[in-house]
Amino acid sequence: GAVVSQHPSRVICKSGTSVKIECRSLDFQATTMFWYRQFPKQSLMLMATSNEGSKATYEQGVEKDKFLINHASLTLSTLTVTSAHPEDSSFYICSATDREAGQPQHFGDGTRLSIL
Amino acid sequence: GDSVTQMEGPVTLSEEAFLTINCTYTATGYPSLFWYVQYPGEGLQLLLKATKADDKGSNKGFEATYRKETTSFHLEKGSVQVSDSAVYFCALKLTGRRALTFGSGTRLQVQP
Repeated sequence: GAVVSQHPSRVICKSGTSVKIECRSLDFQATTMFWYRQFPKQSLMLMATSNEGSKATYEQGVEKDKFLINHASLTLSTLTVTSAHPEDSSFYICSATDREAGQPQHFGDGTRLSIL
Repeated sequence: GDSVTQMEGPVTLSEEAFLTINCTYTATGYPSLFWYVQYPGEGLQLLLKATKADDKGSNKGFEATYRKETTSFHLEKGSVQVSDSAVYFCALKLTGRRALTFGSGTRLQVQP
């Protein structure tokens, strides 16, 4: 079945550091990737929709300059948390949509980000 | 706005017990409804889905029926196994929108 690889699975770093998270579709072409954030015991909240070759569409309240998204190819999207602070600590999950099928979304295993 | 509400966990059951995880939704229009499962250390996997009222999604012994009149999509399984222990997410997708709206997730723990 379709596989999405997300890396790294866990990051612990100091405040002020920028952190890059990668999301790769391993065996299919993903025209659209989604980035979600999950707080403890809460829903997955959509942060942005990433379309290959174009600018990401951010949800209301999500800072574009804080969360930089790049989707340069049909198999890779990256989320960079710039100048991370403790309030950015969270669980980040990506998903990808197969170009052929359109649905369903295939999810990565998530990245737990902890900012000290 | 659109939202999904599901019962808080954890839900703890003995093996072979009957499972119900409640899910209700609020949405404009007629969404498609999904259940995703997340096993420990893994990503979310689609468990089942229903795209219109009265549709029943089923997979691996799990079932859920799209009830428009009660705006619900409760997940059921007649006899759970230890291997069913995971976090279950209810989600909806509106027509014309590709992103999903998730519930908060319900952790299921099945004891031998």
